[in-house]
Amino acid sequence: DAKTTQPTSMDCAEGRAANLPCNHSTISGNEYVYWYRQIHSQGPQYIIHGLKNNETNEMASLIITEDRKSSTLILPHATLRDTAVYYCIVRVAYQGAQKLVFGQGTRLTINP
Amino acid sequence: EAGVAQSPRYKIIEKRQSVAFWCNPISGHATLYWYQQILGQGPKLLIQFQNNGVVDDSQLPKDRFSAERLKGVDSTLKIQPAKLEDSAVYLCASRSLQGRVAWNEQFFGPGTRLTVL
Repeated sequence: DAKTTQPTSMDCAEGRAANLPCNHSTISGNEYVYWYRQIHSQGPQYIIHGLKNNETNEMASLIITEDRKSSTLILPHATLRDTAVYYCIVRVAYQGAQKLVFGQGTRLTINP
Repeated sequence: EAGVAQSPRYKIIEKRQSVAFWCNPISGHATLYWYQQILGQGPKLLIQFQNNGVVDDSQLPKDRFSAERLKGVDSTLKIQPAKLEDSAVYLCASRSLQGRVAWNEQFFGPGTRLTVL
């Protein structure tokens, strides 16, 4: 299973773009990069995922490097409600079903 | 649509006691997961069901933990007897097998916070 490396914590000012990096140097060709976040006292919430192309949805953008060894999650205009732990996950397939292996994630604090 | 429901939200027990957690997944979701999240760590998968069959229980401590999903809908996770190190948040998640299955996300419930004294 490909492992991910994320900074333990980051700070960002409200209204600015928050850029969260993730290294996944051992990712294989058919593994996707997923991002989830967990706001305090809640369960994790799906944000976005991608294989090799950059992706954007209403929550965030995902930039994956050409060699797929790293990626960056971008929250374009961070708000206080974006304060959470962000998990970068490389999805593994197990017995045909989808299994998510969570690391410790990045604790993002949005400051007023 | 209604989200994943879990109860109770909080539970405090003494070591060696038994405890059970309940999960009601999103309607129609065939896959159900139980995770354990120890303070300061990411969630760890305990068991995964597809309908009422177990897909993966490799990380479930089977000497004290058990789980079932009768009729492929609701699920219960039980700990008997509890140890101090079982103090954690127990999260339930569900996932649809409809549509573009490979892309389907997991939806998580709010979790049950267990404290073992």
